[in-house]
Amino acid sequence: GAGVSQSPSNKVTEKGKDVELRCDPISGHTALYWYRQSLGQGLEFLIYFQGNSAPDKSGLPSDRFSAERTGGSVSTLTIQRTQQEDSAVYLCASSQSGGYGYTFGSGTRLTVV
Amino acid sequence: AQSVTQLDSQVPVFEEAPVELRCNYSSSVSVYLFWYVQYPNQGLQLLLKYLSGSTLVKGINGFEAEFNKSQTSFHLRKPSVHISDTAEYFCASQETSGSRLTFGEGTQLTVNP
Repeated sequence: GAGVSQSPSNKVTEKGKDVELRCDPISGHTALYWYRQSLGQGLEFLIYFQGNSAPDKSGLPSDRFSAERTGGSVSTLTIQRTQQEDSAVYLCASSQSGGYGYTFGSGTRLTVV
Repeated sequence: AQSVTQLDSQVPVFEEAPVELRCNYSSSVSVYLFWYVQYPNQGLQLLLKYLSGSTLVKGINGFEAEFNKSQTSFHLRKPSVHISDTAEYFCASQETSGSRLTFGEGTQLTVNP
């Protein structure tokens, strides 16, 4: 596609429920990233996929967070047993292999009530 | 390890005044440097980037930034701001041998009439 597409744009969920956030990167971009942006804070790296290599999961805050990337394209970030502190904007970005900087999606605003 | 420090969390300025948003980086290896802008409820948009060559980089919307290796800085400037420049601005670095972006905490620029 022309840009990075994220869905849903907004998600309100009850504490303890699981949520799935989707990212559709730019066609041909082999690298895909997830970041979290909490109120009043900067961007926190979560996870990075590059081609068929094992993902860099070093930024995932707990084992309730997981992500997968199917067919080297679409990625899903899953948060299990959501907590109120998970409320944030989750941003996805993609880039070409060896590229400089990323193209970001518009994000998913997650609110846990 | 990389780190990026944005020295001002908030910068209020009057319309048509000049502005400088400050950014310092720290890295033991060579880096690329970026400025991103985030308008309300949107993702991040690339303003400009420094990869190599001329230390003065021009970007979109009349912004420019100067890479200063001795001072490890990459300050963003605009000679005359508009109301529409009101947004959050993020400085980021990327190791030339790597792909993960490290972001600063962001600077909220507010342009007042």
